[in-house]
Amino acid sequence: AQRVTQPEKLLSVFKGAPVELKCNYSYSGSPELFWYVQYSRQRLQLLLRHISRESIKGFTADLNKGETSFHLKKPFAQEEDSAMYYCALGWAGNQFYFGTGTSLTVIP
Amino acid sequence: KAGVTQTPRYLIKTRGQQVTLSCSPISGHRSVSWYQQTPGQGLQFLFEYFSETQRNKGNFPGRFSGRQFSNSRSEMNVSTLELGDSALYLCVSSLSGILTGELFFGEGSRLTVL
Repeated sequence: AQRVTQPEKLLSVFKGAPVELKCNYSYSGSPELFWYVQYSRQRLQLLLRHISRESIKGFTADLNKGETSFHLKKPFAQEEDSAMYYCALGWAGNQFYFGTGTSLTVIP
Repeated sequence: KAGVTQTPRYLIKTRGQQVTLSCSPISGHRSVSWYQQTPGQGLQFLFEYFSETQRNKGNFPGRFSGRQFSNSRSEMNVSTLELGDSALYLCVSSLSGILTGELFFGEGSRLTVL
């Protein structure tokens, strides 16, 4: 069963524009949700996790249990934000599911 | 601090062969997970090892197996290779486990099955 859905494979925005990467999940319990990022020629790395409620590189993500969403947002996109973004769901049993990823391109 | 090291980085095999991939986690990390990454399916969880014990397993056939040694190094094995096994296999290291700790990814082993 698909547990994490990222509906957009590709997303392009202009520099300075707001950006939102969508993530929806299906899980009946209390999810642990994360965003991972992969910059060109680099390894996947943690961007943020919902439990810490932090803002990293200007990105934030709010868990909406009613809509089962964990969208990633940034008010003003920068060129260095161009990367592949993966939403991930962790749950009891130590399983961890990644979405299929969204490739973000910030146009100068 | 050395990162997660995977060997070999690239390999080509033919159908029916078997392959062993190796992963050295970050020093002190006891959790090692393996993922298969393909363009169509994205990242799919294979299994996680913690202190030499398999703690969880994804939905892959029994041809996929793994183990972890006392020094936390891990290997995964794929037997009777099929064309569909062509993928990037990622090793993930964590201090305490995939839920509680930050995940550190290796660069991957790219397997091509001909």
